[in-house]
Order: sequence, then structure tokens, then C-alpha cells
Amino acid sequence: EPEVTQTPSHQVTQMGQEVILRCVPISNHLYFYWYRQILGQKVEFLVSFYNNEISEKSEIFDDQFSVERPDGSNFTLKIRSTKLEDSAMYFCASTIRYPDAGNTIYFGEGSWLTVV
Amino acid sequence: GQQVMQIPQYQHVQEGEDFTTYCNSSTTLSNIQWYKQRPGGHPVFLIQLVKSGEVKKQKRLTFQFGEAKKNSSLHITATQTTDVGTYFCAGLGGTSYGKLTFGQGTILTVHP
Repeated sequence: EPEVTQTPSHQVTQMGQEVILRCVPISNHLYFYWYRQILGQKVEFLVSFYNNEISEKSEIFDDQFSVERPDGSNFTLKIRSTKLEDSAMYFCASTIRYPDAGNTIYFGEGSWLTVV
Repeated sequence: GQQVMQIPQYQHVQEGEDFTTYCNSSTTLSNIQWYKQRPGGHPVFLIQLVKSGEVKKQKRLTFQFGEAKKNSSLHITATQTTDVGTYFCAGLGGTSYGKLTFGQGTILTVHP
């Protein structure tokens, strides 16, 4: 079964450093997402991306965050200056079409970010 | 904004007992999805409900979507130790680009 892949699986970074999390969505998918999950909490939406632009973002996704799809296959999340509270599992997800009836959103296995 | 509440937060059962988790949205949903997350794992899609009053079954799992498309439930009959994990509902609003709003999840532990 096709899958969303994410790298790295775990990254430790110092506060204030830039971090880039990478994702390879399923190849024929058109909608891409980043979610995060702070340890022990629920999964939270960060941003959706379609047609090479952000279609929706949450309050969490401030100007320290950015996304891009540089080469048609990778989908990256950049955090410019990490804070302790950015420590979380970051999930990339994708779907082939608008996720209404019948269109599943597939999640990657996550990138665990620890900010020290 | 849209909120999705899920109860209970924890459920401990003996193997063979039934389990139910409930989900309630502050707004009418386009659809609702259910995910299972094992400890240390990622959310794995279980099912999607779209129609008002819809009921779907997957072996021992029964999923329901309320008539008003604001609430949903997942019921597991005769739990097994393999059912252990956190069950999340996630609602899709009518005007979003696929933004899922997740409930807090129900952590299920099954004692053999």
C-alpha cells in the first residue's frame, strides 16, 4: 500500500535553531497537510497546501512556520527559530482529492521534534 | 471555531467486555473520520462516515454518525488485547480544505 514517508524520525535541536521536517506524500496526491501532536495531547491541524499554495492555516502556524513543495515530490515544514513549546510529533498527511466522501487522508509515521 | 469533544478520556476494560467512545462537534460536519493510534505510533485511518444517520461495521467495530451530523460513536464488541490504543474522532467541516479537527481521543486499555 502506498504510504507517506517522513524524515527525520527524530530530531533534537537547540532553542532558536531552524528545523526542516521533510515529507514525501503519496505520489498522485494533491492535498497536503501538516499536523502536530504534543505528547499526551490531541492531534492539531497546522496547515493545508493545495495547488502550490497554503489553503488554510491554524493559529499555531505563525510566521515562524513555513511550508513549501520545492520539487514536486517533497513537502517540507520549516520552523525558523524553534521554541521549547514546539517540541511535538509532527505528522505529514496527504489525500488524492478534496477529502470528502470516500477520500481518505493518509498520515505519515511522524517526525518527533525535541527542542532543548 | 469548530470544536470536537470526545469522551471518555480513558477506558479500562477486561478482555471480552464492550467499549464505546463518543464524539460531539460544535458545528455540523461534512464527514467524520475515526483513527486509531498505538502508543508511539501515528494515526491510522479506520473509517469515514458521511451520511446523516450512517452506521458502518468493521468486524467487531460499529461506527455511527448522528442524524444532525454533529455526533458520532465507535463501539467495539468483545474487546481483545490488540484493541489497545487511542481512538480519535476527527471532523471535517463544510468549508475547509480538508482540515480535520480532532477530538481529544479515548485511551483504551484492555486487561487480559
